[in-house]
Amino acid sequence: QVQLQESGPGLVKPSQTLSLTCTVSGGSISSGDYYWSWIRQPPGKGLEWIGYIYYSGSTYYNPSLKSRVTISVDTSKNQFSLKLSSVTAADTAVYYCARVVPAAMVGAFDIWGQGTMVTVSS
Amino acid sequence: SYELTQPLSVSVALGQTARITCGGNNIGSKNVHWYQQKPGQAPVLVIYRDSNRPSGIPERFSGSNSGNTATLTISRAQAGDEADYYCQVWDSSTAVFGGGTKLTVL
Repeated sequence: QVQLQESGPGLVKPSQTLSLTCTVSGGSISSGDYYWSWIRQPPGKGLEWIGYIYYSGSTYYNPSLKSRVTISVDTSKNQFSLKLSSVTAADTAVYYCARVVPAAMVGAFDIWGQGTMVTVSS
Repeated sequence: SYELTQPLSVSVALGQTARITCGGNNIGSKNVHWYQQKPGQAPVLVIYRDSNRPSGIPERFSGSNSGNTATLTISRAQAGDEADYYCQVWDSSTAVFGGGTKLTVL
């Protein structure tokens, strides 16, 4: 079955760029049947959608984060990545990657990675 | 921007029925998805497109959506159902989550 796994530094300094990668296993990111998304959750708080990417490279971002977010895809490695620039303590969160099912599930996030904690601190 | 409103907490006696609401402007015209999140774990999809259960989700979980309120219903609540629950919709190509509801099984 399809699995997602986040990876990247757990500690980022303020004003720097947070970079994470999600590796997809058990299925091809290029199948075209899904979108691939990033979602985050600050400690003790709710879920916040960051954005999604299609295998072709088309993206859509949360307007509240758009100016700082870049999501990219590497189909040869079956991975997609997140870059969040100019981070502050408010960006401290567990970051999840997730699969979006656009058709039958009308945009539900049906598979999630286990999440990775990123702390912004000097 | 579109907002979803959930109660902070809901309590249910063991074996009884829990109902968690998700309020939004004309939410009945949208497709609502529900997620269960247990402490230290990633969210799990329990209901999609208002009332459909993914494979592996017990029949005790059901959903409805009409007017300005969507509802997740958990019948015969078990201790293992204790978790945070989030509703989610898409609005103008943006995914929106409710603030989450903590379900306590007494």
